[in-house]
Amino acid sequence: GAGVSQSPRYKVAKRGQDVALRCDPISGHVSLFWYQQALGQGPEFLTYFQNEAQLDKSGLPSDRFFAERPEGSVSTLKIQRTQQEDSAVYLCASSPRSASGSTDTQYFGPGTRLTVL
Amino acid sequence: AQSVTQPDIHITVSEGASLELRCNYSYGATPYLFWYVQSPGQGLQLLLKYFSGDTLVQGIKGFEAEFKRSQSSFNLRKPSVHWSDAAEYFCARFQEYGNKLVFGAGTILRVKS
Repeated sequence: GAGVSQSPRYKVAKRGQDVALRCDPISGHVSLFWYQQALGQGPEFLTYFQNEAQLDKSGLPSDRFFAERPEGSVSTLKIQRTQQEDSAVYLCASSPRSASGSTDTQYFGPGTRLTVL
Repeated sequence: AQSVTQPDIHITVSEGASLELRCNYSYGATPYLFWYVQSPGQGLQLLLKYFSGDTLVQGIKGFEAEFKRSQSSFNLRKPSVHWSDAAEYFCARFQEYGNKLVFGAGTILRVKS
């Protein structure tokens, strides 16, 4: 079946612009995660959704970062007033069940590479 | 804080040689551990995972890993490396039960012919 897809794959923004990154999880997956991967680093957790509920946003680096999943499927990560330090690959992952009490594998999308000039 | 350490940033091996990538974790009575591989421009693909039971786990593409509680390690091994194995490898653990993943910084594997 189809895996996790993300769009766009590449995004170049001028400093100060707003961007929106989209994630389409595997159909039926309850849990959705966003991670940020800076150059030369491992991915770092940003936020977690269980269906449409955002249960953990402890990894969002500032209030310029906002994520939503209004219907419990597609998710959008929005970054307002982008800064150069926001340049990174943004990875989305989904898993079948609620993360709480689960050890489900997380399936990752190809990521969106954001470059802020 | 719970963390994952991959001591080697780069490793180069000859095609056909054996491979071992190191991973150490901190804290946690029984950590849930993973190895992922990332090829350029690709997402992360799960190679194998350890939750409990047999400490030697088999994964895809001929990889295996051994959990050693006494050494807080979960090293990835492959007996004979192929050129297509060249990629970046990440060790990870659940930070809390069934929640977010915490990743190491990754090890870039180069394969020379």
